[in-house]
Amino acid sequence: DQQVKQNSPSLSVQEGRISILNCDYTNSMFDYFLWYKKYPAEGPTFLISISSIKDKNEDGRFTVFLNKSAKHLSLHIVPSQPGDSAVYFCAASAIYNFNKFYFGSGTKLNVKP
Amino acid sequence: SQTIHQWPATLVQPVGSPLSLECTVEGTSNPNLYWYRQAAGRGLQLLFYSIGIDQISSEVPQNLSASRPQDRQFILSSKKLLLSDSGFYLCAWGGQGYEQYFGPGTRLTVT
Repeated sequence: DQQVKQNSPSLSVQEGRISILNCDYTNSMFDYFLWYKKYPAEGPTFLISISSIKDKNEDGRFTVFLNKSAKHLSLHIVPSQPGDSAVYFCAASAIYNFNKFYFGSGTKLNVKP
Repeated sequence: SQTIHQWPATLVQPVGSPLSLECTVEGTSNPNLYWYRQAAGRGLQLLFYSIGIDQISSEVPQNLSASRPQDRQFILSSKKLLLSDSGFYLCAWGGQGYEQYFGPGTRLTVT
């Protein structure tokens, strides 16, 4: 039973445009969400996070939006750059077990020059 | 600063052979430690996590086991590998916050 879902396995965007990566979750007890970026043959690196008390968190070109009623979050990258090409994973954790994270299956972003 | 080490980077093992992957963390004490697997074309699946020495939680029934003999050492093992054990194995550590920090991973191919 996958509690965090990324329904788009891949996304292709032109350099300079906006990339929007989506993530849905089913567990209403999730209260902290993270995005990770992963290059081939490397471990994921933390990108940005958001707590359920917020609906938006911004860090440079990266913004994460959280819609708790829809159980949906999205990562916006503006402007997209070729170096952003990677696999992006969203992850969620619940307050009753913050040690445990549930990851989505990832979305492979390709930013074309 | 904290660093996490994993080895080996790649491993090719025959079916039925044993496995031992090691992960060590430097620069922090009493970290939470995790083992994940990414199978080909799949997401990250949590295999084990540990909040302390000899405290291991298994997330999925499987052919693997984990041990934490020291505070900053996490070992993933198998007595007899299966073909389905092939994948990219990632160790991660987490502190008091929510972020996890991943090691470089081990690519395991079972032949």
